Amino acid sequence: AAGVIQSPRHLIKEKRETATLKCYPIPRHDTVYWYQQGPGQDPQFLISFYEKMQSDKGSIPDRFSAQQFSDYHSELNMSSLELGDSALYFCASSLRGAGGNTIYFGEGSWLTVV
Amino acid sequence: KQEVTQIPAALSVPEGENLVLNCSFTDSAIYNLQWFRQDPGKGLTSLLLIQSSQREQTSGRLNASLDKSSGRSTLYIAASQPGDSATYLCAVRPENFGNEKLTFGTGTRLTIIP
Repeated sequence: AAGVIQSPRHLIKEKRETATLKCYPIPRHDTVYWYQQGPGQDPQFLISFYEKMQSDKGSIPDRFSAQQFSDYHSELNMSSLELGDSALYFCASSLRGAGGNTIYFGEGSWLTVV
Repeated sequence: KQEVTQIPAALSVPEGENLVLNCSFTDSAIYNLQWFRQDPGKGLTSLLLIQSSQREQTSGRLNASLDKSSGRSTLYIAASQPGDSATYLCAVRPENFGNEKLTFGTGTRLTIIP
């Protein structure tokens, strides 16, 4: 079965640079989520989209922005990168109303800021 | 603010034993609870999802229970195998519409000793 696809899997950037992460949800899923997991920490919710509209917002810095496109893929844009942004970034997707909304996560994108 | 706690933080058991992982949450107004597995540096694999109206869910050797009123869930693993070694995370989703955020526990790192 198709899973959530994230790219790139690994990314190294310097401070103050910009990074863009991409996410392709499971086909026919209508909701996309972004989470950030720092070293040794649990995942923290950043933002979500339902049918291409922002549906909820968590602890996403103002330097970050995200959107969901007409083909349902999503991108997380991170600017003015800081060392503390180094983390594993997860994208997840679900189908609202289906079986209780099981959320499926991708393998994550490792961002290292140097 | 929802807080999710998992005890113990780490657990080592010999292969073949049955074991129970615990998850507790402070706000019982949840829509569902989901158990995940995470291997080092990898994504989150969904194991079981329990709706707030359900008491338990089973999948193979895994059984998850939910006592919403007392804010507790358990994940029972039967006949443990070395391949079960991973970090197990529980996450709760609030019941109010439009709140997409999962709140994660800090996980239990499970090691199965061959």
